[in-house]
Amino acid sequence: DGGITQSPKYLFRKEGQNVTLSCEQNLNHDAMYWYRQDPGQGLRLIYYSQIVNDFQKGDIAEGYSVSREKKESFPLTVTSAQKNPTAFYLCASISGSKDEQFFGPGTRLTVL
Amino acid sequence: GESVGLHLPTLSVQEGDNSIINCAYSNSASDYFIWYKQESGKGPQFIIDIRSNMDKRQGQRVTVLLNKTVKHLSLQIAATQPGDSAVYFCAENYRDTDKLIFGTGTRLQVFP
Repeated sequence: DGGITQSPKYLFRKEGQNVTLSCEQNLNHDAMYWYRQDPGQGLRLIYYSQIVNDFQKGDIAEGYSVSREKKESFPLTVTSAQKNPTAFYLCASISGSKDEQFFGPGTRLTVL
Repeated sequence: GESVGLHLPTLSVQEGDNSIINCAYSNSASDYFIWYKQESGKGPQFIIDIRSNMDKRQGQRVTVLLNKTVKHLSLQIAATQPGDSAVYFCAENYRDTDKLIFGTGTRLQVFP
């Protein structure tokens, strides 16, 4: 089945640690996105990538980093510089402009 | 600043009734709009989309209406079912970008 997978589903991190969230898609989509969702709120864009080896900052990129070495993979690293990292993280991809974004199941990150 | 907002944070409807979820957008340059459904702990699921050259689009049990004059978007769900209970987000896509801007969401509660 084609789709987007995110792992792990739940992730716990100690303060001061970096952590990497995985996002993989087998839809052959060019563009991929990372969003953050806080309780009772909408989605905010962290980073996005429209092509391999290229990515752009979204609205809340501070404290996060990404890479896009392969078309199917877009991992997100939450660094120790992110002051409030506890949230639900969603990855999405899109085949082309003006088309629906397909979302993964999300990763819930909790900082202990 | 430019934003997508929702009129009602929570909507309660009786099973079998029709539901109407509203969304106001402020960017007149937006030319593509999507409605997503998000169940608790899951990623958003695509429901229906509409482009700015249309004012109505119908799917299975759902209809999206776009009024560009007043920058208003609505999602109508016919014969609402318990399985429709979720948070619904509208999102707008600015012309010539691949970024989606999400609203804060409306929670739909269906009671018997």
